[in-house]
Amino acid sequence: AQSVTQLDSHVSVSEGTPVLLRCNYSSSYSPSLFWYVQHPNKGLQLLLKYTSAATLVKGINGFEAEFKKSETSFHLTKPSAHMSDAAEYFCVVSDTMDSSYKLIFGSGTRLLVRP
Amino acid sequence: DTEVTQTPKHLVMGMTNKKSLKCEQHMGHRAMYWYKQKAKKPPELMFVYSYEKLSINESVPSRFSPECPNSSLLNLHLHALQPEDSALYLCASTPTFRDRERTEAFFGQGTRLTVV
Repeated sequence: AQSVTQLDSHVSVSEGTPVLLRCNYSSSYSPSLFWYVQHPNKGLQLLLKYTSAATLVKGINGFEAEFKKSETSFHLTKPSAHMSDAAEYFCVVSDTMDSSYKLIFGSGTRLLVRP
Repeated sequence: DTEVTQTPKHLVMGMTNKKSLKCEQHMGHRAMYWYKQKAKKPPELMFVYSYEKLSINESVPSRFSPECPNSSLLNLHLHALQPEDSALYLCASTPTFRDRERTEAFFGQGTRLTVV
């Protein structure tokens, strides 16, 4: 069975400093991995996805993630945090079924950005 | 149009009421989903519809009744809910292609449900 673990429930950074949100996955085959962001009382927005192409994935708003098979990791980074980045971030693995997908969510990481 | 639209945005209902949540997408996706999200928790899958047929029910109580009347529309009928059912209800859709590059779930903004 596939699973995903987000290693930090809260991350606090100062505006303008780098962001690192950590995610490890467990999968018996090559997974599809995603990072979603959720602002308060909003739906989920896709930041980026890894399917099977390049291991370094660029997303929206300056976010990147690197798929490392040897470490079973898919950490999310951003060089310089902005106040608007404060939100909940979910690492997600997709379990493909016949004609649909079961998204398996990590527990989430709340990113706080200090002025 | 890459939107999933959910209505209403907010709903307050009593424990004896019957209400419905609506979800609509026009991206041609043939898989649609209902998720329930409690505060400070990740979304939990409730139901999956594939080609308008229910394919997954994650042991959801019968007071929640999903319906997929056509390929663009997904409803969630609510009856005799409990206060602990108060949550954000999210709808999502995905393409049904086997192409891994097309894998992506689009989420609506959710319906904030309060049961009193």
